[in-house]
Amino acid sequence: EPEVTQTPSHQVTQMGQEVILRCVPISNHLYFYWYRQILGQKVEFLVSFYNNEISEKSEIFDDQFSVERPDGSNFTLKIRSTKLEDSAMYFCASNAGQGRSGANVLTFGAGSRLTVL
Amino acid sequence: QKEVEQDPGPLSVPEGAIVSLNCTYSNSAFQYFMWYRQYSRKGPELLMYTYSSGNKEDGRFTAQVDKSSKYISLFIRDSQPSDSATYLCAISDSWGKLQFGAGTQVVVTP
Repeated sequence: EPEVTQTPSHQVTQMGQEVILRCVPISNHLYFYWYRQILGQKVEFLVSFYNNEISEKSEIFDDQFSVERPDGSNFTLKIRSTKLEDSAMYFCASNAGQGRSGANVLTFGAGSRLTVL
Repeated sequence: QKEVEQDPGPLSVPEGAIVSLNCTYSNSAFQYFMWYRQYSRKGPELLMYTYSSGNKEDGRFTAQVDKSSKYISLFIRDSQPSDSATYLCAISDSWGKLQFGAGTQVVVTP
């Protein structure tokens, strides 16, 4: 069964450092997302991406965050200068975009755990 | 007022029992309703998806939506120890932007 692949599975970084989390969405999917889950809290929407541009972003997704699809397969989330409160599990998701009724059927990756010290 | 409310549990049931989970939501614009299962340190995995009021059945799982009461439910029949996980409701009014509940931890004891 096709899956969304994320790397690294766990990254430890110092506060203020830049971090890039990588995702390989399902190959025929058109819509890409990042969500995050702080330990013990809800899964939260960060950003959606379609046709090489951001289609929607949350209040959390401030200027420290950016997303990119550098080639035909990868989708990345960059945090420019990490803060302690960025420590969380970051999930990439993708969707085939087959009509509005299927628009919310997201396939999630296993996540990248980010620990900021 | 939180957009999606879900009791975090834990909910402990004996093997073979029916598991009953539910969420309430506040925004009547929500049209799409999903249940995800999440094992520890893994990503959410879609179980059920619906965009209308009523029941939807898939094997041992039944999802129920009552838009008039803004209430959604998931029932798991003949529960197994492998069903032990956290179950997340997710609701949406737009493409791919899901509002998740807090998740209910379910423990099925042999």
